[in-house]
Amino acid sequence: AQSVSQHNHHVILSEAASLELGCNYSYGGTVNLFWYVQYPGQHLQLLLKYFSGDPLVKGIKGFEAEFIKSKFSFNLRKPSVQWSDTAEYFCAGNTGFQKLVFGTGTRLLVSP
Amino acid sequence: DTEVTQTPKHLVMGMTNKKSLKCEQHMGHRAMYWYKQKAKKPPELMFVYSYEKLSINESVPSRFSPECPNSSLLNLHLHALQPEDSALYLCASSQDGGDYGYTFGSGTRLTVV
Repeated sequence: AQSVSQHNHHVILSEAASLELGCNYSYGGTVNLFWYVQYPGQHLQLLLKYFSGDPLVKGIKGFEAEFIKSKFSFNLRKPSVQWSDTAEYFCAGNTGFQKLVFGTGTRLLVSP
Repeated sequence: DTEVTQTPKHLVMGMTNKKSLKCEQHMGHRAMYWYKQKAKKPPELMFVYSYEKLSINESVPSRFSPECPNSSLLNLHLHALQPEDSALYLCASSQDGGDYGYTFGSGTRLTVV
């Protein structure tokens, strides 16, 4: 079955630390991958997306992700986190038409 | 307009009540979705409408009844819900198959008492 997995359920960092959140997918064919962020009490916001082409994707708020097909991975990175990055981060994938599947999420806490 | 608007933002209903959740978008998206998100869990797909026709039903109980009156509106009719149905209900839209991404609304937080 198509699935997306996130192995880091909780991450705690200090401000200015670098961030990398893992995401793996289990699709065999063409895949579209997304990272969403959900700030406390707010709706899902799209950080970035990968469809094809350059495997290094840059998104909003200084985030980027790298699609590595050989590792079935799409990890999210940010060189220096801020307190305002405290949120829940969801990786999601879409292979089947219109069927977006989410990972279990990673709760990030950035301490000032 | 680049938003998906959901109303109401909060809803408390009894197990014998009938209520409806509403979702609206004016981006010209032809696919609309209902997701359910329990606390500390990822969103789970419930229904997909494509060009105003139901294309995906993820084996959702019949006490949830979706409706798509036109290409901009999506409703979710609720009847005889259970307390375990309490959750955040998210609406989303996309151009066709979602290859260009999905736009989510802020959700309706539903409490069944």
